Parts: sequence; structure tokens; C-alpha cells
Amino acid sequence: DTEVTQTPKHLVMGMTNKKSLKCEQHMGHRAMYWYKQKAKKPPELMFVYSYEKLSINESVPSRFSPECPNSSLLNLHLHALQPEDSALYLCASSQDRTGTSEFFGPGTRLTVT
Amino acid sequence: DAKTTQPNSMESNEEEPVHLPCNHSTISGTDYIHWYRQLPSQGPEYVIHGLTSNVNNRMASLAIAEDRKSSTLILHRATLRDAAVYYCILRDGGQNFVFGPGTRLSVLP
Repeated sequence: DTEVTQTPKHLVMGMTNKKSLKCEQHMGHRAMYWYKQKAKKPPELMFVYSYEKLSINESVPSRFSPECPNSSLLNLHLHALQPEDSALYLCASSQDRTGTSEFFGPGTRLTVT
Repeated sequence: DAKTTQPNSMESNEEEPVHLPCNHSTISGTDYIHWYRQLPSQGPEYVIHGLTSNVNNRMASLAIAEDRKSSTLILHRATLRDAAVYYCILRDGGQNFVFGPGTRLSVLP
């Protein structure tokens, strides 16, 4: 199994809703990442987990809350989002943080109304 | 993070070779050169990476200049499915991937 899966594919939520994005990989990778990508822009790093511990938070607002329950799963909990948070949210994983390539999932397209 | 510069867009005809350039004049000795591509409505996909020597795989070839200040991704026969945004990224071990704007490749039938 050499893929990163993300659910749901699409999500529409109101500004008062709470929702979660899920990412899963079964490649034995020990580093996992969340990126945000606005339309026609490159992906921007949000969070990095290394060996299930949060190692990087790129000054992301607290309405985004990551969680890594085990080495295969990565969640992104969403609460009180703003319309400008509408974007494609990409999950990626790599063997570890030491210069190896990252494998990306297909993303969750989020719309905040 | 060392920066890269790429053309905003390029066009190619189907079944012809494509050479996608990337300049990285401030590259450090331990930076690997990575190439990713992103097809419409998909996540980025690994293409190839290298340090000093030219590299080949089933998708593409990577030609690295002797001084490492530039590199070229070569698609040997472009197909319509190769139309994508191609990102050239420098990364040292343990650093983050920082995506630049990339090159949008159009392939004409």
C-alpha cells in the first residue's frame, strides 16, 4: 500500500460548525504533514508531526487543531472557521524528516459558508 | 530556505520532449533537488530527486548542472496526461518542503 488517503473528498461547513479531516497511510512513515492550498497557489505547510509528536506549527490559527492518534492516522479538527479558510487541505507523509520524499494524498476540498 | 526560480508557464506538443528549467543559484552543498508535479484536482506527486549526479526513473530524467546552480527536468515524450504544475524544490534533510509558484505545463495535441 503506497498511498495516502484523505476523507472526506469534499466538505461544506458553516462558520459555527465543528468538523474533522482525516488522513491515513500504511507505509510505515513516521512523519506526517498538513498543507493548505488556495486556488492557483502552491501548497503551504501548516503542521508537521514526527513520531506522533507535533514538531512544527507554522503559526496556524487555533481554529485549526491537529491530532496524531497513532503513526498511521492524522486528523485536522476544524472549529469556527472563516470563509477565507476555504481551500484544498492536503495531507502528506514521509519515511521520516531526514530529506526523504513526501507522498501526498488527494486532498479535501473545504468550503466554509 | 534556498530559493528556486522557474518559468511561469511552458507549452509542449504531444510526443515531443520537454525540458523544464529551474535556477537555484544559492543552493547549499547538502540541498537535494526535488521535483513534484500537481495534476488538476489532485495532490502533488513525486517525480524525481537528486543531489549531484543526473538521475533517471520511469517518469523523467533530472539533469543537474556541474555547479548545481541549475537543473532541468526532462520528460522524454510528453503526453496530455503530463499537463500539470511542476515544482522544483530544494530541501536539506529535516527541512520543510517550500513550494514556489512552479511552472504550468500545457501539452498540445
